[in-house]
Amino acid sequence: AQSVTQLGSHVSVSEGALVLLRCNYSSSVPPYLFWYVQYPNQGLQLLLKYTSAATLVKGINGFEAEFKKSETSFHLTKPSAHMSDAAEYFCAVSALNSGYALNFGKGTSLLVTP
Amino acid sequence: EADIYQTPRYLVIGTGKKITLECSQTMGHDKMYWYQQDPGMELHLIHYSYGVNSTEKGDLSSESTVSRIRTEHFPLTLESARPSHTSQYLCASSREGAGNEQYFGPGTRLTVT
Repeated sequence: AQSVTQLGSHVSVSEGALVLLRCNYSSSVPPYLFWYVQYPNQGLQLLLKYTSAATLVKGINGFEAEFKKSETSFHLTKPSAHMSDAAEYFCAVSALNSGYALNFGKGTSLLVTP
Repeated sequence: EADIYQTPRYLVIGTGKKITLECSQTMGHDKMYWYQQDPGMELHLIHYSYGVNSTEKGDLSSESTVSRIRTEHFPLTLESARPSHTSQYLCASSREGAGNEQYFGPGTRLTVT
């Protein structure tokens, strides 16, 4: 089965600092991977996705992620954090056995301090 | 503008009541999903649909039921609500095929007293 593990339930960075949110995947086949962001009392919004076209994926709001097969990782990064980036971030992998529903990680709460 | 809608956004009801959470999308997507999300926790799939007249149970056991009579509409029903049903319910849809992203509604936050 396809699954993801997010390391660190809470991450705190200063405004302007590098953001790094970690995600490792487990999959017996080449995975489809996603990062979503959730603001309070809202649904999930897609940041970016990996579908094997390119290992470095650029998304919205300055975020990007690199697929590393050797490390089974898909970490999310942003060079300079903004206060508006404070939110919950979810890594997800497409599940082959349930209509390509998503198997989510437990989420990482990003706090940005002034 | 294509979008996905959920109503109500917030609902507080008493134990034993029957409720239906509405979900509609205007994107013409065949696939639709319901996820349950407890506060500060991951999302768990409870139902999904490949298209009209198709419904499947997800990984998380749920006492809810769904129907898919129209492509754009995927309501979720609880016949008899209990406090253990208190949670956030998120609806999503996607195009057919692997690797397609899911679009999420704003969610319904349900509290059963």
